[in-house]
Amino acid sequence: NAGVTQTPKFQVLKTGQSMTLQCAQDMNHNSMYWYRQDPGMGLRLIYYSASEGTTDKGEVPNGYNVSRLNKREFSLRLESAAPSQTSVYFCASNTGTGDYGYTFGSGTRLTVV
Amino acid sequence: GENVEQHPSTLSVQEGDSAVIKCTYSDSASNYFPWYKQELGKRPQLIIDIRSNVGEKKDQRIAVTLNKTAKHFSLHITETQPEDSAVYFCAASGVNTGNQFYFGTGTSLTVIP
Repeated sequence: NAGVTQTPKFQVLKTGQSMTLQCAQDMNHNSMYWYRQDPGMGLRLIYYSASEGTTDKGEVPNGYNVSRLNKREFSLRLESAAPSQTSVYFCASNTGTGDYGYTFGSGTRLTVV
Repeated sequence: GENVEQHPSTLSVQEGDSAVIKCTYSDSASNYFPWYKQELGKRPQLIIDIRSNVGEKKDQRIAVTLNKTAKHFSLHITETQPEDSAVYFCAASGVNTGNQFYFGTGTSLTVIP
């Protein structure tokens, strides 16, 4: 039982390049989330998927797109990376009922130069 | 939307002393309050949670209290140990947040041996 698996763990991009962060969970969770973590700002929600087939914007969606490929997988895409997107990205999942905690992936440290 | 404030941002205690971290929330409809511990370079891990129908919950050396009237909740760590050193995040969720979690900005706890 791997929980939430995120790839890659580290990535360096040049400004304007694109990339996709992958996330998969094996806990049969309905809801999946993408957060970014910046120093002093906590965890901010980028996009989420309450259930398979749905996606919605969070607090900081600009510059990102997502795809809920199936119940297990939720990917985050940066179409044209900017230095402001340098951050640590975490995928998370839970039952979606609002009263059970998230399980987080191990994170992706992204640097845009 | 929900706004979660967390204090203090940094906290240093002597080993064996107690540590208290406080959070306030704005949405009276929020009903689930998890706490996460994040060690350096690691993913956030759920350590304890409380639901709005409960005023206090304990798990060994950690406890969480909730005051719904004042809209604040606190994490208490007793008999602190060096391995308690980490960043702690509080969060809140409920029907008005779409069952997503809104996080505080974190408290960096250092336990001095």
